[in-house]
Amino acid sequence: KNQVEQSPQSLIILEGKNCTLQCNYTVSPFSNLRWYKQDTGRGPVSLTIMTFSENTKSNGRYTATLDADTKQSSLHITASQLSDSASYICVVDLDPTGGGNKLTFGTGTQLKVEL
Amino acid sequence: GAGVSQSPSNKVTEKGKDVELRCDPISGHTALYWYRQSLGQGLEFLIYFQGNSAPDKSGLPSDRFSAERTGGSVSTLTIQRTQQEDSAVYLCASSRSRGRDWISYEQYFGPGTRLTVT
Repeated sequence: KNQVEQSPQSLIILEGKNCTLQCNYTVSPFSNLRWYKQDTGRGPVSLTIMTFSENTKSNGRYTATLDADTKQSSLHITASQLSDSASYICVVDLDPTGGGNKLTFGTGTQLKVEL
Repeated sequence: GAGVSQSPSNKVTEKGKDVELRCDPISGHTALYWYRQSLGQGLEFLIYFQGNSAPDKSGLPSDRFSAERTGGSVSTLTIQRTQQEDSAVYLCASSRSRGRDWISYEQYFGPGTRLTVT
């Protein structure tokens, strides 16, 4: 069983609509939780990093939330654009110093934004 | 550009051959990471360098895999006697020296090398 599970596996939405991607994790304790965006054929790019004590973090149209009690995180995308089509990966950092040396990756949600 | 670069972008090799994958990190980044991304799987940690030393090699799947880093910069991941299960995208990432802000720990990824073993 993957220690970081994401849902849905894939999602198709119309341009301009909002969507929310889910991440459930079983690993603990952890120092921070990260969301990455990975375009096809490219490396992942960081969207947000949240410590276990933070509840929310925004980056433009992307807002991540974290509930450490239920071990759930979500990524909300507002007013989607065609360029948002990508894989979104939830990552938990088990490094107690937060140094990023013990990253556990989810398998990602593949988002497609259509006209 | 100033990002992480990897070469080659694609590599097709025959089973049993050795391959070398190269990573050029962002200038000044002392930490360097290698990951593997198989189809339908999450990124899998392989090895971490701090400078030229590798404090954590725990993710290397077998002794056929090795990596080195010279001059605190370029790193090479070598896979000997390749097997079909080695087919994957190999990603490299780098980050700045450890500090007390998250930017120091942020990992910047290269575009990856797609390895296909036939």
